[in-house]
Amino acid sequence: ILNVEQSPQSLHVQEGDSTNFTCSFPSSNFYALHWYRWETAKSPEALFVMTLNGDEKKKGRISATLNTKEGYSYLYIKGSQPEDSATYLCAPDNYGQNFVFGPGTRLSVLP
Amino acid sequence: EAQVTQNPRYLITVTGKKLTVTCSQNMNHEYMSWYRQDPGLGLRQIYYSMNVEVTDKGDVPEGYKVSRKEKRNFPLILESPSPNQTSLYFCATGLAGTGEQYFGPGTRLTVT
Repeated sequence: ILNVEQSPQSLHVQEGDSTNFTCSFPSSNFYALHWYRWETAKSPEALFVMTLNGDEKKKGRISATLNTKEGYSYLYIKGSQPEDSATYLCAPDNYGQNFVFGPGTRLSVLP
Repeated sequence: EAQVTQNPRYLITVTGKKLTVTCSQNMNHEYMSWYRQDPGLGLRQIYYSMNVEVTDKGDVPEGYKVSRKEKRNFPLILESPSPNQTSLYFCATGLAGTGEQYFGPGTRLTVT
């Protein structure tokens, strides 16, 4: 079973602050890394899929980077808004088959 | 409308009484998967299927069975539920090889 870590476990920021969090995963046999956003009482929704070392993806105020050699990915949120409050999950995958999700980072954005 | 449906959404049952949670998708996805979510443990994969008649174990398959007789359906079967299977269950689907998954609304199961 892959060991996937995310940090911090939770954080609270003020509206307008920028923030970032980390996903760490084994760098051997890497295929792809996924980020999901999971709002309370809803289902996880895909944010990004990243495959290449040095990949950068962006969706509005949210962006992510990937380092496959050292086994980590950063997720950045610029100018956090209350609607960004959610748990952010990362998941490396084994050729699109077996997914291991990290424990998540729970973000609360205070108005 | 593209969607993943799960039934039932909520279920309270007793130990040992066989149950099935259905999952259905209308997106013609090859890949389907079941997860359970428990506090402090995150999402853990139970079983997945790459296509019809092709299923494989995830990280926590014990106590569960699945079948994939049709592309659109992927039921999760608990032959003899136990209290440690009390959890929130999610079905997810996706195009094979892309890794992007679409999650169903979840089924909250309580086994007493």
